[in-house]
Amino acid sequence: DTEVTQTPKHLVMGMTNKKSLKCEQHMGHRAMYWYKQKAKKPPELMFVYSYEKLSINESVPSRFSPECPNSSLLNLHLHALQPEDSALYLCASSQDRAGGTDTQYFGPGTRLTVL
Amino acid sequence: GEDVEQSLFLSVREGDSSVINCTYTDSSSTYLYWYKQEPGAGLQLLTYIFSNMDMKQDQRLTVLLNKKDKHLSLRIADTQTGDSAIYFCAEGKAGGSYIPTFGRGTSLIVHP
Repeated sequence: DTEVTQTPKHLVMGMTNKKSLKCEQHMGHRAMYWYKQKAKKPPELMFVYSYEKLSINESVPSRFSPECPNSSLLNLHLHALQPEDSALYLCASSQDRAGGTDTQYFGPGTRLTVL
Repeated sequence: GEDVEQSLFLSVREGDSSVINCTYTDSSSTYLYWYKQEPGAGLQLLTYIFSNMDMKQDQRLTVLLNKKDKHLSLRIADTQTGDSAIYFCAEGKAGGSYIPTFGRGTSLIVHP
């Protein structure tokens, strides 16, 4: 099973709303990632969790708040977003095993629209 | 720094072969990846090749790696309209939370 699931598939929110994106994997992977992708661009890394600890934060604004409740789940909490934050948000996971392949497997993404 | 370059567009006729090219600059790359992204969907890992290999074949897909020139290609035989998508090349290293570097993606358009 190489599946990463994400919910919701689509999300429309106002600039004053609070919402959360969810990601789940059951491959035993210990690294999980959030990416933001604008149309016709490659994914841009936002956050990396390794063994449930935040290891990389790519200078993302504080209106995005990640959370890793356990090794299978990754959340992205959203608050006071701007219209320019509208994008496809992708979750990925990888084994994070020293010396081994660290191939990333991506979820289908959440299409976020901020009004 | 690391960089991955791809041409932005490729147009082919259905039934022909497609060849998508990629160049990278990091000579210590261990793995080279090809991802496919259909409109509105996430990235699907198509295949990857270790840097000590020259070629990898998987059904209609053939990956060629020229490590000396840091050139990677993806050949799709008998291209179908369902192959229309954006194809991302990425390079990475083994171990840890190393973040792959993605190219800008090549839009493959398949005409009937």
